[in-house]
Amino acid sequence: EDKVVQSPLSLVVHEGDTVTLNCSYEVTNFRSLLWYKQEKKAPTFLFMLTSSGIEKKSGRLSSILDKKELFSILNITATQTGDSAVYLCAGTNSGNTPLVFGKGTRLSVIA
Amino acid sequence: GAVVSQHPSWVICKSGTSVKIECRSLDFQATTMFWYRQFPKQSLMLMATSNEGSKATYEQGVEKDKFLINHASLTLSTLTVTSAHPEDSSFYICSARDSGRVWDGNTIYFGEGSWLTVV
Repeated sequence: EDKVVQSPLSLVVHEGDTVTLNCSYEVTNFRSLLWYKQEKKAPTFLFMLTSSGIEKKSGRLSSILDKKELFSILNITATQTGDSAVYLCAGTNSGNTPLVFGKGTRLSVIA
Repeated sequence: GAVVSQHPSWVICKSGTSVKIECRSLDFQATTMFWYRQFPKQSLMLMATSNEGSKATYEQGVEKDKFLINHASLTLSTLTVTSAHPEDSSFYICSARDSGRVWDGNTIYFGEGSWLTVV
């Protein structure tokens, strides 16, 4: 059965801290891993990772995929209160369908 | 950015009745939409892939006669939960793929979800 496991499930940090969110996956015919930020209801896209070892970066956020060990990490540096959200990762299969999501990591950044 | 509207946000229905949830892409065309279900403290799980003008593709374990999906236009997909039972109470969320753009991960947009409670 396909599954995606995220850790930690929740995290509380102070502004300015750096955080690392983890995502491990087992997806049949795996093609890519997606990261989303969910602040209220609709998840918003952050990254798509298809190749191993290539870091993707967007501002203070970065992510990398390890296809050998079947995991990905999402890093957020110099966290701000606006980073508070649930961060979801999802595996896609060969059809590029977002197949299964992790339970998410709830990040709370306090001033 | 692209918007996907999902309606209703909350719905309560009686056991045995049917309830319809709509998913609309507001500013793009979507030949493919996806329906997910999330039980409390569980992951979002793909239920089915909705294809415009053809039958939906259901994931293993999802009853197609119970969860009717209709994708009659390029901007609308509906999920109808038939003969609802309390066990169907869940969070249902749709997403739509922008048909006009090459897939690169950021061309799938999510609705805000629908909370269904069956009493």
